Amino acid sequence: DAKTTQPPSMDCAEGRAANLPCNHSTISGNEYVYWYRQIHSQGPQYIIHGLKNNETNEMASLIITEDRKSSTLILPHATLRDTAVYYCIVRANTGGFKTIFGAGTRLFVKA
Amino acid sequence: DTEVTQTPKHLVMGMTNKKSLKCEQHMGHRAMYWYKQKAKKPPELMFVYSYEKLSINESVPSRFSPECPNSSLLNLHLHALQPEDSALYLCASSLTGSKTGGEGYTFGSGTRLTVV
Repeated sequence: DAKTTQPPSMDCAEGRAANLPCNHSTISGNEYVYWYRQIHSQGPQYIIHGLKNNETNEMASLIITEDRKSSTLILPHATLRDTAVYYCIVRANTGGFKTIFGAGTRLFVKA
Repeated sequence: DTEVTQTPKHLVMGMTNKKSLKCEQHMGHRAMYWYKQKAKKPPELMFVYSYEKLSINESVPSRFSPECPNSSLLNLHLHALQPEDSALYLCASSLTGSKTGGEGYTFGSGTRLTVV
């Protein structure tokens, strides 16, 4: 699996956009980028995934660079409830059905 | 139904006890997973079931025994656990577990296990 690098923590003001970066410089051409988040004491929640193109859903937008070596998760209008650990994961295309979590980014949304 | 339900939510067991964790989903997902999460750490993959067959065992000690009786149910049988096995145990499911990627996992809220 390609390794991902995320900042350990970030702050964001409530109502502003939260931009969470992720580096995955060793990503292979058929590997997807996934984002999950985990709010304290809950199970992880799937947010979004993408391969090459930018993606948007009701929760967030995913911007993947053209060379696919990095991506940014955007929460357009962060709320206090978005305070969580955000995990960027590159999903292997071989070796079975593994989703391996790294350390993630702890996002603090402040009033 | 878009949920993964885990029971019990909390469990305290002695080192000589035998207990089971249960996970259930009715989304028609055919891949199910067990993860273990220690405090302030990311979830660690333990087992993967695909179409009711064990696909991956991440070198988990035999005191943890998974079972998938049908496509909706996943159990984790616990026996002779150690205090260091205390953790949050998370179950997840996905549509097929396809190797081609492109599907997210749905996680349950976990069972918080304390071994005394």
